[in-house]
Parts: sequence; structure tokens; C-alpha cells
Amino acid sequence: SQQGEEDPQALSIQEGENATMNCSYKTSINNLQWYRQNSGRGLVHLILIRSNEREKHSGRLRVTLDTSKKSSSLLITASRAADTASYFCAIPKTSYDKVIFGPGTSLSVIP
Amino acid sequence: DTEVTQTPKHLVMGMTNKKSLKCEQHMGHRAMYWYKQKAKKPPELMFVYSYEKLSINESVPSRFSPECPNSSLLNLHLHALQPEDSALYLCASSQDDWVGAYNEQFFGPGTRLTVL
Repeated sequence: SQQGEEDPQALSIQEGENATMNCSYKTSINNLQWYRQNSGRGLVHLILIRSNEREKHSGRLRVTLDTSKKSSSLLITASRAADTASYFCAIPKTSYDKVIFGPGTSLSVIP
Repeated sequence: DTEVTQTPKHLVMGMTNKKSLKCEQHMGHRAMYWYKQKAKKPPELMFVYSYEKLSINESVPSRFSPECPNSSLLNLHLHALQPEDSALYLCASSQDDWVGAYNEQFFGPGTRLTVL
């Protein structure tokens, strides 16, 4: 089924380091979204990248999309303890349909 | 106002109880969603309302009954739940239901439901 698969499942880094997490998918998409979820809370939309875009930035976040490899990456630079959260990629099931969330990457940033 | 509110924050109910979860948004969004999330798992879509009409039901058991009284409100009525229904229930909204076509979703903080 069409669902993003994040890698790694869990990541632990020191404050100030960069964190990279990846999302792979199976079929063609027209966009891919990244969301963050702090423990037990609602999800927050981070970035949407369209299929004709290769890279997008938002503050300390950088998202890339490689449609030939069917993969996307989320880079968080100069991480902070407040970045500790789960990060999900979300992919449309079909072109104009609901999104499916991947299993997520759990990021721990140690002060 | 870019906030989606959900009440209550926590709910404990017995298997014979009837309760309701409420969700509200004032962003003028025409699509609203209910998700169920178990611990350490991604959100799973339950229902989608588009322009106040139910457009997607992901084969959810009838003990969950959604309702959209108006474009700003979304309810989830609960009856005869099972302990395995204990989870975080998230409400979300988007400009319209073309989520696959570039719309981000705004999520509420969720209701933590425990079924005894």
C-alpha cells in the first residue's frame, strides 16, 4: 500500500548537532508533507514539498525530494532540546485523496 | 485564529457508557477529520467530512458515530466501546478535502480516551 516509511525509527543526538531522517514511498506522488508531534499532542505541519520541487527550506528545516528514488529527507540543523518529538512523513494515497502517515521517526535531542 | 480545539482533553468511560468528543475550528476550513492514534504509532484516519457531508469512512465500527452539525464543529459519538478503543483521538481540518492536492492539515491537541 502507499505509505511512507521513515528511517531511522529512532534517533538520539546531542544539542547543536544536525538530525536527518528519511522517508521512502512506493508510487508516484504529487506532494509529500512532514509533520511533527510532541509527546501525546496533536501534529504540527512543518513543510509541504511538491513533486516538481527538489528542496524547500523553513527556518532550521530543510526538506529534499528525489522522485526518481521515491524518497524524501528532513534535515534539522543546530538541533535544540525542544526539537525532541516524533516526525512523520505524509503521502497522498492517490493524487487527490487523503494522506497516509508513515510510522515516524522518534527524535531525542539531549541537552 | 489558526487553532483547532478539542474537548475533553481526557475521558475515561466504561464499556456501557455513551460519550461524545467535540472538535471546533474557526479557520473557514471545509474539511474535517477524525484520526485514532495508538501509542508509538502514526495517526490512522477514521472519518472525513467535506462541506459538512461524510465523504470517507475508513470501515470504522458503528460504535463510533461522527456528526458534523455545521462547518465549524465536528463530533464523535461513542457507545459501547471496547478497551482496545483506548487511544488518542485527533481532530484535524484543512481548507478542503483535496489533501493530496497541496492542503496541509491543522490538528487539535487530541482527546486521550481510556475505556475500562
